[in-house]
Formats: sequence, structure tokens, C-alpha cells
Amino acid sequence: SQTIHQWPATLVQPVGSPLSLECTVEGTSNPNLYWYRQAAGRGLQLLFYSVGIGQISSEVPQNLSASRPQDRQFILSSKKLLLSDSGFYLCAWSVGSSGGADTQYFGPGTRLTVL
Amino acid sequence: TQLLEQSPQFLSIQEGENLTVYCNSSSVFSSLQWYRQEPGEGPVLLVTVVTGGEVKKLKRLTFQFGDARKDSSLHITAAQPGDTGLYLCAGSRIIYGGSQGNLIFGKGTKLSVKP
Repeated sequence: SQTIHQWPATLVQPVGSPLSLECTVEGTSNPNLYWYRQAAGRGLQLLFYSVGIGQISSEVPQNLSASRPQDRQFILSSKKLLLSDSGFYLCAWSVGSSGGADTQYFGPGTRLTVL
Repeated sequence: TQLLEQSPQFLSIQEGENLTVYCNSSSVFSSLQWYRQEPGEGPVLLVTVVTGGEVKKLKRLTFQFGDARKDSSLHITAAQPGDTGLYLCAGSRIIYGGSQGNLIFGKGTKLSVKP
């Protein structure tokens, strides 16, 4: 069966510090991978998605970047955090394909607080 | 522009009551997913519907996809405190005859079931 991991679970960082959040998926090959941010227990905002190693698409211009150094590893980074980067960050995966139903499966999330 | 409207935004009911939440759009979706999310955790997939008019049942939960694939509903019979959570719908849009590959999320319905 497939599993998705995120770490850390919680993070408190000062403004201006760097950020690295990691997501890994097990039990599947060549998944599509996604980073979302969720504000105050409400809807999800797609930040980045990737259909393969080194292939990153950005949905929203912002202070963040993403990388996919390995097939099942997705990293969310920032060089200098802003207060507005605080939130609940979710990683998700879906079966890699060129079309069809795109059911996504979510990780447990990382709660980021920027002070 | 919010492509997927969920209603109601908040719902507080007593244990044993029935309820229906709605997910509406003017766009056509190739598939639609329902998720339940508890505080501090990632969304958990409940169901994926792909055919117009499709009805799926998951114990006391009944999901329906509209005939035109623009809307969906979730009906819970005899709600229990364990049903408490944020219910999110997400649709995969049809673009130029194929699935876009990314999900559009509603803002969610926050359900509280009191014992």
C-alpha cells in the first residue's frame, strides 16, 4: 500500500530564516506530487505540482520554491520566511498519468508558524 | 472567482439528525472527490465520483454526482459525533476534452455533531 510522510509535523521559525519541508511517498512509482497551503482550517491553495523529477509548476507567485530531487521526494523551501508564510502545509500525491480522474491522497501536514 | 461553492459553510446538529451538504459549480468536472479533515491532520479521501448521476454509499454517507457533472451532494444519515470535521469537495476540471490534472477545492463545510 502507498503511504505519504511529511516532516516536520510542526515548525516555529523567525522571520527571515530559511525553510525546508520534506515530503516522501512510498509504495508507488512516478507519482504526481503537490504542495498546498491551507489557511485557518478552510480550503486548500495549490502552491506547486510536479509530474516528474526536476519538473515543477508554480501556481502562485510567492516567497516559496519547490524541488523534486528524487522520484518520490518533494521539498518546499524558502530562503527568507515572511510572517504571511505561516499556515498548514499539505503534501499530496496522485497516480501519474496524462489524464483521467486525479484523486489525490494527502500527507499529515506541517504546521508552520513564523514569528 | 470561487469555482466550487460549498454550502453551508458551518453546520451544527445533534446526534441522530440527518444532513446534506452541497458542492456547486458552473464548470463541468471529469471527476469529483469528497474529503474529511480533522483539526491538525491532512484530508482523508472519502469517495471519488466520475459518472454523471452516480450515487455511492459509504455506510451512513451517500454521495451523488449531478447529471451534468457540475455539482455534488453528501448526505449523512443519523449523524454521530465521530462525523465531526471539515468536509471538502474537489473537482478535476475538463479542459479541451481532457482532464486538467489539478484539483479545484471548495472552502469546505465545517460540521459539528453534538452528543
